[in-house]
Amino acid sequence: DAGITQSPRHKVTETGTPVTLRCHQTENHRYMYWYRQDPGHGLRLIHYSYGVKDTDKGEVSDGYSVSRSKTEDFLLTLESATSSQTSVYFCAISGTGLAGGTGELFFGEGSRLTVL
Amino acid sequence: GEDVEQSLFLSVREGDSSVINCTYTDSSSTYLYWYKQEPGAGLQLLTYIFSNMDMKQDQRLTVLLNKKDKHLSLRIADTQTGDSAIYFCAEGSRAGKSTFGDGTTLTVKP
Repeated sequence: DAGITQSPRHKVTETGTPVTLRCHQTENHRYMYWYRQDPGHGLRLIHYSYGVKDTDKGEVSDGYSVSRSKTEDFLLTLESATSSQTSVYFCAISGTGLAGGTGELFFGEGSRLTVL
Repeated sequence: GEDVEQSLFLSVREGDSSVINCTYTDSSSTYLYWYKQEPGAGLQLLTYIFSNMDMKQDQRLTVLLNKKDKHLSLRIADTQTGDSAIYFCAEGSRAGKSTFGDGTTLTVKP
Protein backbone atom coordinates (compact mmCIF):
# COMPACT_ATOMS: atom_id res chain seq x y z
CA ASP A 1 0.00 0.00 0.00
CA ALA A 2 1.11 3.54 -0.80
CA GLY A 3 2.23 5.44 2.29
CA ILE A 4 -0.52 8.02 2.62
CA THR A 5 -1.82 9.17 5.98
CA GLN A 6 -4.73 11.51 6.46
CA SER A 7 -5.47 13.27 9.72
CA PRO A 8 -7.78 13.61 11.44
CA ARG A 9 -9.81 10.62 10.24
CA HIS A 10 -12.97 11.97 11.85
CA LYS A 11 -13.89 15.47 12.90
CA VAL A 12 -17.05 17.19 14.08
CA THR A 13 -17.03 20.96 14.10
CA GLU A 14 -19.39 23.89 14.17
CA THR A 15 -20.34 26.27 11.39
CA GLY A 16 -17.92 29.16 11.09
CA THR A 17 -14.90 27.46 12.63
CA PRO A 18 -11.67 26.89 10.70
CA VAL A 19 -10.65 23.33 9.90
CA THR A 20 -7.40 21.94 8.51
CA LEU A 21 -7.03 18.45 7.11
CA ARG A 22 -3.57 17.03 6.61
CA CYS A 23 -2.28 14.59 4.05
CA HIS A 24 1.15 13.10 4.56
CA GLN A 25 2.91 10.83 2.05
CA THR A 26 6.12 8.83 2.29
CA GLU A 27 6.35 8.02 -1.44
CA ASN A 28 8.04 11.25 -2.57
CA HIS A 29 5.37 11.60 -5.26
CA ARG A 30 5.15 14.88 -7.09
CA TYR A 31 1.37 15.20 -7.50
CA MET A 32 -1.08 15.46 -4.63
CA TYR A 33 -4.84 15.99 -4.72
CA TRP A 34 -7.78 16.66 -2.47
CA TYR A 35 -11.15 15.20 -3.46
CA ARG A 36 -14.48 15.23 -1.67
CA GLN A 37 -16.95 12.37 -1.91
CA ASP A 38 -20.66 12.96 -1.54
CA PRO A 39 -23.64 10.72 -2.31
CA GLY A 40 -24.82 11.34 -5.85
CA HIS A 41 -21.71 13.30 -6.79
CA GLY A 42 -18.94 10.73 -6.85
CA LEU A 43 -15.52 12.25 -6.28
CA ARG A 44 -14.95 15.89 -7.09
CA LEU A 45 -11.56 17.54 -7.24
CA ILE A 46 -11.07 20.44 -4.81
CA HIS A 47 -7.43 21.41 -5.29
CA TYR A 48 -4.28 19.76 -6.49
CA SER A 49 -0.55 20.29 -6.36
CA TYR A 50 2.16 19.46 -8.87
CA GLY A 51 5.05 20.37 -6.64
CA VAL A 52 6.12 22.32 -3.59
CA LYS A 53 4.31 25.65 -3.53
CA ASP A 54 2.65 24.84 -6.87
CA THR A 55 -1.09 24.40 -6.46
CA ASP A 56 -4.16 24.88 -8.59
CA LYS A 57 -7.92 24.83 -8.26
CA GLY A 58 -10.18 21.94 -9.08
CA GLU A 59 -13.88 21.98 -9.92
CA VAL A 60 -15.17 22.70 -6.37
CA SER A 61 -12.52 24.96 -4.85
CA ASP A 62 -14.75 27.70 -3.39
CA GLY A 63 -14.42 27.85 0.40
CA TYR A 64 -11.18 25.84 0.42
CA SER A 65 -7.51 26.71 0.37
CA VAL A 66 -4.42 24.50 0.25
CA SER A 67 -0.76 24.70 1.01
CA ARG A 68 2.21 22.55 0.17
CA SER A 69 5.42 23.68 1.81
CA LYS A 70 7.05 20.23 1.69
CA THR A 71 6.83 17.40 -0.81
CA GLU A 72 5.33 15.08 1.75
CA ASP A 73 2.56 17.30 3.16
CA PHE A 74 -0.55 18.75 1.52
CA LEU A 75 -2.91 20.70 3.76
CA LEU A 76 -6.56 21.48 3.03
CA THR A 77 -8.08 24.37 4.97
CA LEU A 78 -11.68 25.36 5.35
CA GLU A 79 -11.40 28.95 6.55
CA SER A 80 -14.97 29.07 7.86
CA ALA A 81 -16.70 25.72 7.70
CA THR A 82 -20.27 25.47 6.44
CA SER A 83 -22.76 22.61 6.60
CA SER A 84 -22.40 22.12 2.84
CA GLN A 85 -18.79 21.11 3.48
CA THR A 86 -19.88 18.07 5.45
CA SER A 87 -18.30 15.31 3.41
CA VAL A 88 -15.65 12.63 3.23
CA TYR A 89 -12.37 14.09 2.04
CA PHE A 90 -9.81 11.98 0.24
CA CYS A 91 -6.21 12.79 -0.42
CA ALA A 92 -4.58 11.14 -3.43
CA ILE A 93 -1.07 11.07 -4.84
CA SER A 94 0.42 10.30 -8.22
CA GLY A 95 4.01 9.72 -9.13
CA THR A 96 4.07 10.76 -12.75
CA GLY A 97 0.79 12.22 -13.81
CA LEU A 98 0.45 11.19 -17.44
CA ALA A 99 3.97 12.16 -18.42
CA GLY A 100 5.69 8.81 -18.77
CA GLY A 101 3.22 7.05 -16.54
CA THR A 102 -0.38 5.95 -16.31
CA GLY A 103 -1.56 8.72 -14.02
CA GLU A 104 -2.70 6.15 -11.47
CA LEU A 105 -3.90 7.69 -8.23
CA PHE A 106 -3.21 6.25 -4.79
CA PHE A 107 -5.75 7.23 -2.17
CA GLY A 108 -5.66 7.77 1.55
CA GLU A 109 -8.28 6.29 3.85
CA GLY A 110 -10.36 9.45 3.96
CA SER A 111 -11.29 12.07 6.54
CA ARG A 112 -14.94 12.30 7.53
CA LEU A 113 -15.91 15.86 8.39
CA THR A 114 -19.23 16.84 9.92
CA VAL A 115 -20.12 20.53 10.17
CA LEU A 116 -23.01 21.21 12.54
CA GLY B 1 -16.20 20.17 -19.02
CA GLU B 2 -15.50 16.50 -18.77
CA ASP B 3 -18.25 14.20 -17.61
CA VAL B 4 -18.26 10.55 -16.66
CA GLU B 5 -21.51 8.67 -16.17
CA GLN B 6 -22.27 5.23 -14.86
CA SER B 7 -25.29 3.40 -13.51
CA LEU B 8 -25.62 3.56 -9.74
CA PHE B 9 -26.50 0.00 -8.77
CA LEU B 10 -25.93 -3.57 -9.96
CA SER B 11 -26.96 -6.78 -8.24
CA VAL B 12 -25.77 -10.23 -9.32
CA ARG B 13 -25.65 -13.75 -7.95
CA GLU B 14 -22.40 -15.31 -6.81
CA GLY B 15 -20.71 -17.07 -9.70
CA ASP B 16 -22.37 -14.95 -12.37
CA SER B 17 -20.55 -12.36 -14.46
CA SER B 18 -20.95 -8.67 -13.62
CA VAL B 19 -20.79 -5.97 -16.24
CA ILE B 20 -20.46 -2.34 -15.18
CA ASN B 21 -20.81 0.29 -17.87
CA CYS B 22 -19.50 3.83 -18.15
CA THR B 23 -19.66 6.64 -20.67
CA TYR B 24 -17.37 9.65 -20.85
CA THR B 25 -17.31 12.84 -22.86
CA ASP B 26 -13.67 13.91 -23.14
CA SER B 27 -12.34 12.62 -26.43
CA SER B 28 -8.80 13.53 -25.40
CA SER B 29 -8.79 11.04 -22.51
CA THR B 30 -5.51 9.18 -22.52
CA TYR B 31 -6.24 6.56 -19.90
CA LEU B 32 -9.48 5.14 -18.59
CA TYR B 33 -9.50 3.62 -15.13
CA TRP B 34 -11.57 1.40 -12.90
CA TYR B 35 -11.22 1.93 -9.17
CA LYS B 36 -12.76 -0.14 -6.37
CA GLN B 37 -13.88 1.25 -3.02
CA GLU B 38 -14.70 -1.01 -0.09
CA PRO B 39 -16.71 0.31 2.89
CA GLY B 40 -14.82 2.83 4.99
CA ALA B 41 -11.77 2.81 2.74
CA GLY B 42 -10.20 4.86 0.00
CA LEU B 43 -10.26 3.94 -3.66
CA GLN B 44 -7.83 1.42 -5.12
CA LEU B 45 -6.99 1.05 -8.77
CA LEU B 46 -8.34 -2.19 -10.22
CA THR B 47 -7.20 -1.81 -13.78
CA TYR B 48 -6.73 0.75 -16.52
CA ILE B 49 -6.73 0.83 -20.30
CA PHE B 50 -4.83 3.07 -22.66
CA SER B 51 -7.06 4.92 -25.08
CA ASN B 52 -5.61 3.23 -28.19
CA MET B 53 -6.59 -0.22 -26.90
CA ASP B 54 -9.92 -1.98 -27.40
CA MET B 55 -9.65 -4.59 -24.70
CA LYS B 56 -7.57 -5.51 -21.71
CA GLN B 57 -7.82 -8.70 -19.70
CA ASP B 58 -6.43 -9.19 -16.23
CA GLN B 59 -7.39 -12.49 -14.56
CA ARG B 60 -11.14 -12.22 -13.84
CA LEU B 61 -11.35 -8.66 -15.13
CA THR B 62 -12.01 -7.67 -18.74
CA VAL B 63 -12.11 -4.04 -19.81
CA LEU B 64 -13.68 -3.11 -23.13
CA LEU B 65 -13.25 0.33 -24.66
CA ASN B 66 -15.28 1.70 -27.55
CA LYS B 67 -13.56 4.96 -28.23
CA LYS B 68 -15.94 5.97 -31.00
CA ASP B 69 -18.92 5.78 -28.64
CA LYS B 70 -16.86 6.83 -25.59
CA HIS B 71 -18.06 3.73 -23.77
CA LEU B 72 -16.10 1.73 -21.24
CA SER B 73 -17.13 -1.46 -19.51
CA LEU B 74 -15.74 -3.67 -16.77
CA ARG B 75 -16.62 -7.34 -16.73
CA ILE B 76 -15.94 -9.39 -13.61
CA ALA B 77 -16.09 -13.11 -14.26
CA ASP B 78 -17.22 -15.57 -11.57
CA THR B 79 -18.26 -12.75 -9.24
CA GLN B 80 -17.69 -13.45 -5.56
CA THR B 81 -19.19 -11.91 -2.43
CA GLY B 82 -15.82 -10.24 -1.83
CA ASP B 83 -16.36 -8.28 -5.03
CA SER B 84 -19.21 -6.36 -3.40
CA ALA B 85 -18.04 -2.75 -3.40
CA ILE B 86 -18.42 0.54 -5.22
CA TYR B 87 -16.73 0.68 -8.61
CA PHE B 88 -15.67 4.00 -10.08
CA CYS B 89 -14.95 4.71 -13.69
CA ALA B 90 -12.48 7.56 -14.27
CA GLU B 91 -10.77 9.24 -17.16
CA GLY B 92 -7.38 10.91 -17.20
CA SER B 93 -6.60 13.47 -19.83
CA ARG B 94 -4.14 15.87 -18.26
CA ALA B 95 -1.20 15.55 -15.96
CA GLY B 96 -2.59 13.42 -13.19
CA LYS B 97 -6.05 14.98 -13.08
CA SER B 98 -8.83 12.44 -13.25
CA THR B 99 -12.58 12.89 -13.53
CA PHE B 100 -14.65 10.27 -11.76
CA GLY B 101 -18.13 8.90 -12.29
CA ASP B 102 -20.54 8.68 -9.37
CA GLY B 103 -19.74 5.03 -8.75
CA THR B 104 -21.68 1.79 -9.24
CA THR B 105 -22.56 -0.15 -6.11
CA LEU B 106 -22.18 -3.85 -6.87
CA THR B 107 -24.06 -6.24 -4.59
CA VAL B 108 -23.26 -9.93 -4.88
CA LYS B 109 -25.89 -12.25 -3.48
CA PRO B 110 -24.92 -15.75 -2.32
